[in-house]
Amino acid sequence: KQEVTQIPAALSVPEGENLVLNCSFTDSAIYNLQWFRQDPGKGLTSLLLIQSSQREQTSGRLNASLDKSSGRSTLYIAASQPGDSATYLCAVMNTGNQFYFGTGTSLTVIP
Amino acid sequence: EAQVTQNPRYLITVTGKKLTVTCSQNMNHEYMSWYRQDPGLGLRQIYYSMNVEVTDKGDVPEGYKVSRKEKRNFPLILESPSPNQTSLYFCASSLRYGYNEQFFGPGTRLTVL
Repeated sequence: KQEVTQIPAALSVPEGENLVLNCSFTDSAIYNLQWFRQDPGKGLTSLLLIQSSQREQTSGRLNASLDKSSGRSTLYIAASQPGDSATYLCAVMNTGNQFYFGTGTSLTVIP
Repeated sequence: EAQVTQNPRYLITVTGKKLTVTCSQNMNHEYMSWYRQDPGLGLRQIYYSMNVEVTDKGDVPEGYKVSRKEKRNFPLILESPSPNQTSLYFCASSLRYGYNEQFFGPGTRLTVL
């Protein structure tokens, strides 16, 4: 069974700092990996989707990378802002038609 | 506006009283899915549907039922709710499984007393 781990569970940084969030998974038989953000009491907002054949995807200040063979993905956030404070989740889409989520990294950006 | 809607958003009920949480998407998506989110456990998939009339179990299907009679709707049914089903529930959809991103509904917070 696929297991997805996100480290660290919580992270606090000063505004303007660049940061990296980590996601690891145990089964490399995936179609793709998706990063989400979740604000307290709210639903999930899709940030980036990386297909298994891709190495990275970029959107604005966000860059996600994928190393399928080693079971790792990173989300890089440049020049962090207080509005980036949220929980960040990664999810893998297995070739067995199921999704598996990590438990998330709670990010706080201090003004 | 393209969206996934869920109703109700909040529900308090009692053990054993059957309930249905509705989910609807207006994007003509093939794949739909239900998740529950619990502190420390993250999101876990309950059921999913690859297309109309095609449903399958996720990781935690016990105590739940689903149906997919129309492409846009994917209701979650709790025939006899129990307190351990108290959770935050999300419905999600994507155009095609394996190729496209998932879009999530706003969530339904269920409390079973």
